[in-house]
Amino acid sequence: DTGVSQDPRHKITKRGQNVTFRCDPISEHNRLYWYRQTLGQGPEFLTYFQNEAQLEKSRLLSDRFSAERPKGSFSTLEIQRTEQGDSAMYLCASSFETGSSEAFFGQGTRLTVV
Amino acid sequence: GESVGLHLPTLSVQEGDNSIINCAYSNSASDYFIWYKQESGKGPQFIIDIRSNMDKRQGQRVTVLLNKTVKHLSLQIAATQPGDSAVYFCAEKIQGAQKLVFGQGTRLTINP
Repeated sequence: DTGVSQDPRHKITKRGQNVTFRCDPISEHNRLYWYRQTLGQGPEFLTYFQNEAQLEKSRLLSDRFSAERPKGSFSTLEIQRTEQGDSAMYLCASSFETGSSEAFFGQGTRLTVV
Repeated sequence: GESVGLHLPTLSVQEGDNSIINCAYSNSASDYFIWYKQESGKGPQFIIDIRSNMDKRQGQRVTVLLNKTVKHLSLQIAATQPGDSAVYFCAEKIQGAQKLVFGQGTRLTINP
């Protein structure tokens, strides 16, 4: 296990289509986070899981977005009826549960909605 | 409100010189801070962190300074190398919360 893995690295989709991204965290990490990053900006928090429980969701996460972590290991982020404004880099990160712990990021999935 | 900002969007230094990247944060309830480095097309890479009960922490060629009085964070990189060229983000975590709040970033360019 060399780090957080995200798939696919790039996705181009037509407006209105659904897309799903996958994140495999560092195996011993029980916290998993999704962030979104647009060009020239810092990452913005979307949601976070502790094991399989989704404990916090940002107001950025509209009802078209859903995230799951069914077995407390990998996670998926689905965007339904994509819009051009959804174009961004979607980053996944994981960390240990204990106190303040550094979050390690994956390479991200670059989504382009055309 | 929650916000983390950077004073300078770009910084250029000569190879071998030291660089200092600054960050201002506004939430006095933040108790944990991280600096990340992000190269083009890659995810943020952890550099160094500091907790609010400390004012200085050193790593390999990097030092983070925290001034809670003025809510200021800085990253010092010693003897810069071409590989240090990247965008640097500071991020804060509010006590009791889990999410990180990022600033806009500073693009560091190392000139040969």
